[in-house]
Amino acid sequence: NAGVTQTPKFQVLKTGQSMTLQCAQDMNHEYMSWYRQDPGMGLRLIHYSVGAGITDQGEVPNGYNVSRSTTEDFPLRLLSAAPSQTSVYFCASRDRGGGNQPQHFGDGTRLSIL
Amino acid sequence: GEDVEQSLFLSVREGDSSVINCTYTDSSSTYLYWYKQEPGAGLQLLTYIFSNMDMKQDQRLTVLLNKKDKHLSLRIADTQTGDSAIYFCAPEWGSQGNLIFGKGTKLSVKP
Repeated sequence: NAGVTQTPKFQVLKTGQSMTLQCAQDMNHEYMSWYRQDPGMGLRLIHYSVGAGITDQGEVPNGYNVSRSTTEDFPLRLLSAAPSQTSVYFCASRDRGGGNQPQHFGDGTRLSIL
Repeated sequence: GEDVEQSLFLSVREGDSSVINCTYTDSSSTYLYWYKQEPGAGLQLLTYIFSNMDMKQDQRLTVLLNKKDKHLSLRIADTQTGDSAIYFCAPEWGSQGNLIFGKGTKLSVKP
């Protein structure tokens, strides 16, 4: 049981390049989300999904696209990278059953845009 | 929008108790979480409290919730050097159970 797996762990891009950050979970969780963490800031929600085929915007969605074709995978796409998107990106998942269902986080992808 | 405030730094001596405070604005939060982040790592769930509770104890950790004042605290008893990390307060908000994070409190434990 690997939990939430993010790839790659590190990436450097040039301004204008596109890239997909991968996130996979093996816990059969319905809910998945993407956050970004900037220095001295808490995590901010980019996009989230409550199940396959359903996605919604979070607090900072501009510049990012997501899709959810399977329960297991929730990729985050940067169509045209900008220096302002330099950040650490975290993917999380949780079950949607009743009661307490805490979010489980991956180890993060550290992305630098030059 | 919703907001979570935490003090940015806390320094304690090994063996002392640490108290990390958090205030939040969303009174509808059902669950309120504390996460720990060590350097270069992801977020590790430490503990949580249900909104109809005032206190929850989990080994060295005690969570206090004052719902009227929208104040949450995390007490770590007998703080160890391994507790040095950034601690995030994260109440749930909205109907989907999304989390909103504070900026984190960096706890430094001196031997």
